[in-house]
Amino acid sequence: EAGVTQSPRYAVLQEGQAVSFWCDPISGHDTLYWYQQPRDQGPQLLVYFRDEAVIDNSQLPSDRFSAVRPKGTNSTLKIQSAKQGDTATYLCASRGQGSNERLFFGHGTKLSVL
Amino acid sequence: GDQVKQSPSALSLQEGTNSALRCNFSIATTTVQWFLQNPRGSLMNLFYLVPGTKENGRLKSTFNSKESYSTLHIRDAQLEDSGTYFCAAERASSFSKLVFGQGTSLSVVP
Repeated sequence: EAGVTQSPRYAVLQEGQAVSFWCDPISGHDTLYWYQQPRDQGPQLLVYFRDEAVIDNSQLPSDRFSAVRPKGTNSTLKIQSAKQGDTATYLCASRGQGSNERLFFGHGTKLSVL
Repeated sequence: GDQVKQSPSALSLQEGTNSALRCNFSIATTTVQWFLQNPRGSLMNLFYLVPGTKENGRLKSTFNSKESYSTLHIRDAQLEDSGTYFCAAERASSFSKLVFGQGTSLSVVP
């Protein structure tokens, strides 16, 4: 079974540039999460979806960040105008339904904003 | 924020010894998951817990929902156990919302 796939693996930007991250969850997993992990910190939830619906985006900086999952499968996270403070690893994770569903992470996209 | 507190923040173990990591929760928690992030950054799921105890090889984890904590015991530590351990709490008020602690950085030395 394929795991959670993310691309790109790395991105280097100047401040003000835009970037998109792509995530393909495990097949059949209805819930998809985007986390931001700054260096030496724990993952911090940005947004999560159940199918195509946003369940919680309260931690997503809405002026510059957006996330979609239009068909309830793949998802894209976009930063419109990157800042140095956005430097972090962006992690996508998915889980299925049921009473014993573990969370599985992709390898992440390491973003550096210069 | 401080909803999930992990201790200790860092730990050095000699190969072959035992230790315990802990998570304390200030939010009502229904389930807990434990992860190991290896030095390359990949996060591996170790346990999914409802209240109770699970064991897998040299690892054993307990979740006590009444006292709002979870522990991860490592027995006979090996070099490959090195990395950062995270716990994540599923909030009772927000199904599927998982909040992570800040992690315990473990270094196993010969």
